Amino acid sequence: AQSVAQPEDQVNVAEGNPLTVKCTYSVSGNPYLFWYVQYPNRGLQFLLKYITGDNLVKGSYGFEAEFNKSQTSFHLKKPSALVSDSALYFCAVSPLGGGKLIFGQGTELSVKP
Amino acid sequence: NAGVMQNPRHLVRRRGQEARLRCSPMKGHSHVYWYRQLPEEGLKFMVYLQKENIIDESGMPKERFSAEFPKEGPSILRIQQVVRGDSAAYFCASSRQGRETEAFFGQGTRLTVV
Repeated sequence: AQSVAQPEDQVNVAEGNPLTVKCTYSVSGNPYLFWYVQYPNRGLQFLLKYITGDNLVKGSYGFEAEFNKSQTSFHLKKPSALVSDSALYFCAVSPLGGGKLIFGQGTELSVKP
Repeated sequence: NAGVMQNPRHLVRRRGQEARLRCSPMKGHSHVYWYRQLPEEGLKFMVYLQKENIIDESGMPKERFSAEFPKEGPSILRIQQVVRGDSAAYFCASSRQGRETEAFFGQGTRLTVV
Protein backbone atom coordinates (compact mmCIF):
# COMPACT_ATOMS: atom_id res chain seq x y z
CA ALA A 1 0.00 0.00 0.00
CA GLN A 2 1.16 3.51 -0.74
CA SER A 3 2.01 5.50 2.36
CA VAL A 4 3.86 8.46 3.81
CA ALA A 5 5.59 8.35 7.17
CA GLN A 6 6.59 11.20 9.41
CA PRO A 7 8.39 9.36 12.19
CA GLU A 8 8.37 12.20 14.71
CA ASP A 9 5.11 13.42 16.21
CA GLN A 10 6.91 16.44 17.62
CA VAL A 11 10.15 18.28 16.98
CA ASN A 12 11.50 20.82 19.46
CA VAL A 13 14.08 23.36 18.36
CA ALA A 14 15.60 26.48 19.88
CA GLU A 15 15.17 29.69 17.94
CA GLY A 16 18.12 30.29 15.64
CA ASN A 17 19.06 26.62 15.41
CA PRO A 18 18.63 24.55 12.25
CA LEU A 19 15.58 22.35 12.01
CA THR A 20 14.76 19.13 10.18
CA VAL A 21 11.36 17.50 9.87
CA LYS A 22 11.60 13.99 8.47
CA CYS A 23 9.48 12.32 5.83
CA THR A 24 9.76 9.00 4.04
CA TYR A 25 7.40 7.54 1.49
CA SER A 26 6.45 4.24 -0.02
CA VAL A 27 5.01 4.92 -3.44
CA SER A 28 5.71 3.21 -6.73
CA GLY A 29 7.07 5.12 -9.68
CA ASN A 30 8.23 8.72 -9.51
CA PRO A 31 5.79 10.55 -7.28
CA TYR A 32 5.44 14.26 -6.80
CA LEU A 33 6.38 15.36 -3.27
CA PHE A 34 5.03 18.26 -1.22
CA TRP A 35 5.27 19.95 2.14
CA TYR A 36 2.40 21.88 3.69
CA VAL A 37 2.12 23.79 6.96
CA GLN A 38 -1.00 24.16 9.08
CA TYR A 39 -1.41 26.84 11.72
CA PRO A 40 -4.05 26.35 14.47
CA ASN A 41 -7.62 26.40 13.15
CA ARG A 42 -6.40 27.23 9.66
CA GLY A 43 -6.13 25.46 6.36
CA LEU A 44 -2.96 24.07 4.87
CA GLN A 45 -0.48 26.39 3.23
CA PHE A 46 1.74 25.13 0.44
CA LEU A 47 5.46 25.36 1.24
CA LEU A 48 7.30 23.60 -1.57
CA LYS A 49 7.27 20.72 -4.02
CA TYR A 50 9.62 18.35 -5.80
CA ILE A 51 8.75 17.28 -9.30
CA THR A 52 12.06 16.54 -10.95
CA GLY A 53 15.54 17.97 -11.26
CA ASP A 54 17.73 19.32 -8.46
CA ASN A 55 17.34 17.27 -5.28
CA LEU A 56 17.36 20.39 -3.11
CA VAL A 57 14.14 22.34 -3.43
CA LYS A 58 13.66 25.83 -2.03
CA GLY A 59 10.29 27.04 -0.87
CA SER A 60 8.44 29.69 1.10
CA TYR A 61 9.60 31.32 4.37
CA GLY A 62 13.18 30.09 4.00
CA PHE A 63 12.29 26.40 4.01
CA GLU A 64 13.93 23.86 1.77
CA ALA A 65 13.65 20.13 1.31
CA GLU A 66 16.05 17.46 0.16
CA PHE A 67 14.85 14.63 -2.03
CA ASN A 68 16.73 11.34 -1.70
CA LYS A 69 15.52 8.72 -4.12
CA SER A 70 17.56 5.82 -2.74
CA GLN A 71 16.25 6.44 0.78
CA THR A 72 12.79 7.46 -0.46
CA SER A 73 12.95 10.49 1.79
CA PHE A 74 11.97 14.13 1.48
CA HIS A 75 13.11 15.88 4.66
CA LEU A 76 12.14 19.49 5.33
CA LYS A 77 14.88 21.80 6.54
CA LYS A 78 15.52 25.37 7.58
CA PRO A 79 18.94 26.77 8.51
CA SER A 80 17.68 29.03 11.31
CA ALA A 81 14.33 28.44 13.02
CA LEU A 82 11.95 31.20 14.09
CA VAL A 83 9.36 31.08 16.87
CA SER A 84 6.77 31.88 14.21
CA ASP A 85 7.65 28.60 12.44
CA SER A 86 5.86 26.72 15.22
CA ALA A 87 3.05 24.84 13.50
CA LEU A 88 1.96 21.43 12.21
CA TYR A 89 3.85 20.25 9.14
CA PHE A 90 2.56 17.72 6.65
CA CYS A 91 4.48 15.81 4.04
CA ALA A 92 2.43 14.58 1.10
CA VAL A 93 2.92 12.63 -2.10
CA SER A 94 0.93 12.54 -5.29
CA PRO A 95 1.58 9.25 -7.11
CA LEU A 96 0.15 10.46 -10.40
CA GLY A 97 0.45 14.21 -10.02
CA GLY A 98 -2.29 16.70 -9.35
CA GLY A 99 -4.09 17.33 -6.10
CA LYS A 100 -4.95 13.81 -5.00
CA LEU A 101 -2.50 13.53 -2.13
CA ILE A 102 -1.42 10.94 0.40
CA PHE A 103 -0.52 12.73 3.61
CA GLY A 104 1.74 11.80 6.47
CA GLN A 105 0.39 12.05 10.00
CA GLY A 106 1.97 15.42 10.56
CA THR A 107 4.79 16.66 12.78
CA GLU A 108 4.25 19.35 15.39
CA LEU A 109 7.17 21.77 15.29
CA SER A 110 7.79 23.83 18.39
CA VAL A 111 10.41 26.58 18.29
CA LYS A 112 11.28 28.07 21.67
CA PRO A 113 12.92 31.49 22.16
CA ASN B 1 -6.82 37.02 -6.00
CA ALA B 2 -8.96 35.25 -3.47
CA GLY B 3 -7.90 31.84 -2.31
CA VAL B 4 -10.05 28.76 -1.93
CA MET B 5 -13.20 29.80 -0.09
CA GLN B 6 -15.08 27.41 2.14
CA ASN B 7 -18.27 28.05 4.02
CA PRO B 8 -19.46 27.78 6.59
CA ARG B 9 -16.33 27.77 8.75
CA HIS B 10 -18.18 26.04 11.55
CA LEU B 11 -21.29 23.89 11.28
CA VAL B 12 -23.23 22.22 14.06
CA ARG B 13 -25.76 19.56 13.19
CA ARG B 14 -27.88 17.20 15.27
CA ARG B 15 -27.66 13.49 14.57
CA GLY B 16 -29.82 12.60 11.60
CA GLN B 17 -29.69 16.04 9.96
CA GLU B 18 -28.00 16.89 6.68
CA ALA B 19 -24.78 18.85 6.36
CA ARG B 20 -23.86 20.84 3.24
CA LEU B 21 -20.34 22.12 2.87
CA ARG B 22 -19.44 24.57 0.10
CA CYS B 23 -16.19 25.23 -1.67
CA SER B 24 -15.35 27.87 -4.27
CA PRO B 25 -12.02 27.12 -5.95
CA MET B 26 -9.38 29.69 -6.72
CA LYS B 27 -9.88 31.70 -9.88
CA GLY B 28 -8.62 29.76 -12.85
CA HIS B 29 -8.73 26.40 -11.06
CA SER B 30 -10.93 23.72 -12.55
CA HIS B 31 -10.06 20.83 -10.24
CA VAL B 32 -11.51 20.41 -6.75
CA TYR B 33 -10.55 17.91 -4.05
CA TRP B 34 -12.18 17.20 -0.70
CA TYR B 35 -10.28 15.93 2.33
CA ARG B 36 -11.33 14.98 5.84
CA GLN B 37 -9.24 15.47 8.96
CA LEU B 38 -10.49 13.40 11.86
CA PRO B 39 -9.27 14.05 15.41
CA GLU B 40 -5.86 12.51 15.99
CA GLU B 41 -5.62 11.51 12.33
CA GLY B 42 -4.05 13.01 9.27
CA LEU B 43 -5.84 14.24 6.21
CA LYS B 44 -7.55 11.64 4.08
CA PHE B 45 -8.55 12.12 0.46
CA MET B 46 -12.25 11.79 -0.20
CA VAL B 47 -13.12 12.85 -3.74
CA TYR B 48 -11.76 14.60 -6.83
CA LEU B 49 -14.05 16.55 -9.13
CA GLN B 50 -13.95 18.64 -12.25
CA LYS B 51 -16.86 20.70 -13.51
CA GLU B 52 -19.91 18.41 -13.72
CA ASN B 53 -17.77 15.29 -13.33
CA ILE B 54 -16.62 13.09 -10.47
CA ILE B 55 -13.14 11.92 -11.43
CA ASP B 56 -12.17 9.85 -8.39
CA GLU B 57 -14.35 9.07 -5.39
CA SER B 58 -12.26 6.25 -4.00
CA GLY B 59 -12.05 7.89 -0.57
CA MET B 60 -15.73 8.57 -0.11
CA PRO B 61 -17.71 6.51 2.39
CA LYS B 62 -20.13 4.27 0.53
CA GLU B 63 -23.24 5.68 2.15
CA ARG B 64 -24.58 9.09 3.12
CA PHE B 65 -21.78 11.08 1.45
CA SER B 66 -21.99 12.72 -1.95
CA ALA B 67 -20.21 15.50 -3.80
CA GLU B 68 -20.86 17.64 -6.83
CA PHE B 69 -19.21 20.44 -8.76
CA PRO B 70 -21.86 21.96 -11.00
CA LYS B 71 -21.26 24.02 -14.11
CA GLU B 72 -22.16 27.13 -12.16
CA GLY B 73 -21.53 27.69 -8.48
CA PRO B 74 -19.42 26.09 -5.78
CA SER B 75 -18.60 22.48 -5.16
CA ILE B 76 -20.82 20.90 -2.52
CA LEU B 77 -20.00 18.07 -0.14
CA ARG B 78 -23.22 16.66 1.25
CA ILE B 79 -23.53 14.40 4.25
CA GLN B 80 -26.96 12.94 4.89
CA GLN B 81 -28.18 11.67 8.26
CA VAL B 82 -25.05 12.75 10.08
CA VAL B 83 -23.65 10.71 12.95
CA ARG B 84 -21.22 11.68 15.70
CA GLY B 85 -18.38 9.98 13.82
CA ASP B 86 -18.77 12.51 11.01
CA SER B 87 -17.48 15.25 13.31
CA ALA B 88 -14.27 16.41 11.67
CA ALA B 89 -12.62 19.20 9.72
CA TYR B 90 -13.38 19.04 6.03
CA PHE B 91 -10.95 20.73 3.70
CA CYS B 92 -11.37 21.62 0.08
CA ALA B 93 -8.44 22.12 -2.26
CA SER B 94 -8.23 23.30 -5.84
CA SER B 95 -5.64 23.18 -8.58
CA ARG B 96 -5.09 24.10 -12.17
CA GLN B 97 -4.94 21.60 -14.98
CA GLY B 98 -1.73 19.57 -15.07
CA ARG B 99 0.10 16.90 -13.15
CA GLU B 100 2.86 19.14 -11.83
CA THR B 101 0.61 21.73 -10.25
CA GLU B 102 0.17 22.00 -6.51
CA ALA B 103 -3.15 22.10 -4.71
CA PHE B 104 -4.21 25.10 -2.63
CA PHE B 105 -6.37 24.51 0.41
CA GLY B 106 -9.24 26.40 1.95
CA GLN B 107 -9.52 27.11 5.66
CA GLY B 108 -11.84 24.20 6.21
CA THR B 109 -15.28 23.59 7.63
CA ARG B 110 -15.40 22.20 11.12
CA LEU B 111 -18.43 19.98 11.45
CA THR B 112 -19.69 19.09 14.91
CA VAL B 113 -22.47 16.56 15.27
CA VAL B 114 -24.33 16.74 18.57
